[in-house]
Amino acid sequence: GNSVTQMEGPVTLSEEAFLTINCTYTATGYPSLFWYVQYPGEGLQLLLKATKADDKGSNKGFEATYRKETTSFHLEKGSVQVSDSAVYFCALSYLSGGSNYKLTFGKGTLLTVNP
Amino acid sequence: GAVVSQHPSWVICKSGTSVKIECRSLDFQATTMFWYRQFPKQSLMLMATSNEGSKATYEQGVEKDKFLINHASLTLSTLTVTSAHPEDSSFYICSANRGRNEQYFGPGTRLTVT
Repeated sequence: GNSVTQMEGPVTLSEEAFLTINCTYTATGYPSLFWYVQYPGEGLQLLLKATKADDKGSNKGFEATYRKETTSFHLEKGSVQVSDSAVYFCALSYLSGGSNYKLTFGKGTLLTVNP
Repeated sequence: GAVVSQHPSWVICKSGTSVKIECRSLDFQATTMFWYRQFPKQSLMLMATSNEGSKATYEQGVEKDKFLINHASLTLSTLTVTSAHPEDSSFYICSANRGRNEQYFGPGTRLTVT
């Protein structure tokens, strides 16, 4: 089956620190991979995505590279800000029933950045 | 672009009553929408897939008579929680497909059943 395992938090960093949130996946076929961010009391926002092996997704200083050999999609940012405090979800999409792409999510990692 | 809204953003209802949640894609048409449920500090659990003009497909363990889904148009899907009970209290999030493999999420609806 399809599953996503991501590093359990919470993660607490100081402003300008380097961030890594690990994510590995199990999937049949060739899924697309995503990172979503959820701010308190809100829905999910797409942060970045990669659709094939060796693709790098990037947005707002965050990056993640689709590594097929290690089945990983780790999220990184060189210098975090207080405003990056949120829950981050790694997800993969898979084709279900021949026509719909569904998402499977990891459990989420709470990031808190202190000034 | 790709904005999805939900209404209401929060609702409190009494046990035994029904409540309807709307999900709208504001600037694109979505033949497929999804409904998720999220418990505190947990991940999203897919409840059902809603296809415009056809019956929703429910995930295993989700009661279709309890959670009624209607996708009457390309921009609107509704979730009705029937005969709600306190254990139905949760954060409900919808998403809409744009293109083949992109889901855009609504802001969520917090349901509290007293």
